[in-house]
Amino acid sequence: QQQVKQSPQSLIVQKGGISIINCAYENTAFDYFPWYQQFPGKGPALLIAIRPDVSEKKEGRFTISFNKSAKQFSLHIMDSQPGDSATYFCAAHSGTDRGSTLGRLYFGRGTQLTVWP
Amino acid sequence: DAMVIQNPRYQVTQFGKPVTLSCSQTLNHNVMYWYQQKSSQAPKLLFHYYDKDFNNEADTPDNFQSRRPNTSFCFLDIRSPGLGDAAMYLCATSRVVGWAEAFFGQGTRLTVV
Repeated sequence: QQQVKQSPQSLIVQKGGISIINCAYENTAFDYFPWYQQFPGKGPALLIAIRPDVSEKKEGRFTISFNKSAKQFSLHIMDSQPGDSATYFCAAHSGTDRGSTLGRLYFGRGTQLTVWP
Repeated sequence: DAMVIQNPRYQVTQFGKPVTLSCSQTLNHNVMYWYQQKSSQAPKLLFHYYDKDFNNEADTPDNFQSRRPNTSFCFLDIRSPGLGDAAMYLCATSRVVGWAEAFFGQGTRLTVV
């Protein structure tokens, strides 16, 4: 069962354009929604994250929009650059899981972003 | 810089030959995770340690074991690697139980021949 659904699987954007990646979830117990950026051959790196009591968070060219009622959140990359070409994973954190207090990160399947110069 | 460091970056092992991957961290985090990531897929949690308490995911094969001799180090042992175990193995840490932010190492790319 996919806890976090991510789309699209791949995205091609022209330099300077806006990249938008969407994620949806079902579990209302999720308490933290990070986005990770992964370059080939490297581990994921935390890019930006949001908590469900906030509808938007912006850090530089990266913005998370969060819609709690729709259980959806998205990553917007403004003025996309070739250096942004990477795989992006959304994730959701569960503070409690099957009765355990140990947190879990549930990842989406990833979006491979290519920004053409 | 405080980091999560995985060694080796690339590991080639023979089918059925035991292999060990290592992870060290200078963040002094209590929780350490091992993930398996196959090509074009999301990382899949194998198991994690909270201090020395070991927690196995229900669907992690018995072929995979882990050791955490101290706070800084964690090892992933694959007792009899199969071709299907070829993947990127990622180590991650978080400060305490339930702390959402996880820090990943660069991964070890395992090839089974």
